[in-house]
Amino acid sequence: ETGVTQSPTHLIKTRGQQVTLRCSSQSGHNTVSWYQQALGQGPQFIFQYYREEENGRGNFPPRFSGLQFPNYSSELNVNALELDDSALYLCASSFSAHAEAFFGQGTRLTVV
Amino acid sequence: AQSVTQPDIHITVSEGASLELRCNYSYGATPYLFWYVQSPGQGLQLLLKYFSGDTLVQGIKGFEAEFKRSQSSFNLRKPSVHWSDAAEYFCAVGSYSGNTPLVFGKGTRLSVIA
Repeated sequence: ETGVTQSPTHLIKTRGQQVTLRCSSQSGHNTVSWYQQALGQGPQFIFQYYREEENGRGNFPPRFSGLQFPNYSSELNVNALELDDSALYLCASSFSAHAEAFFGQGTRLTVV
Repeated sequence: AQSVTQPDIHITVSEGASLELRCNYSYGATPYLFWYVQSPGQGLQLLLKYFSGDTLVQGIKGFEAEFKRSQSSFNLRKPSVHWSDAAEYFCAVGSYSGNTPLVFGKGTRLSVIA
């Protein structure tokens, strides 16, 4: 059984660019949640996908968007990158919208 | 709105000493409570969770936590700390209802000295 995997592990983007982060959920899990963790802070909820539908959203602007695919993997897209978007982005999967979440290692995004 | 407070930003303990990390939560419904650990540059690993039942829960790596509803607390403890326990610890609260996501505290950084 594989765990939650995220790619890439690190990337650097320029302000104004767009970025796509990817997450493969743990086998048997149909729910994926994305979190943003700024330096020195706890993770903040961005949104959750359950069976390919958005199932909740945190206080993030529309330029943060996502997708979940039939195999339950997921993407996080961020448009018009800002310097404050620099953070560790964490993906978590669970076997239902209310079950225990298992986290990936994260993607470290740096916006310059 | 739900919230989690971890009053201690940084704690330093000697190896072999006992440890208690504090967590207080504010939640309108029956909470599900979690403790996660994060090593530098890494993701989150679940240490333990409380859903219902016995208020003293055991986790991995020798950690335990006690849920006290009257104090809205879920403190993490370990009787004897090892150098490898140095990391960031996050308390989180969730709910088995609706679309409520996990709400995390800001974390407590644990340093272990010889």
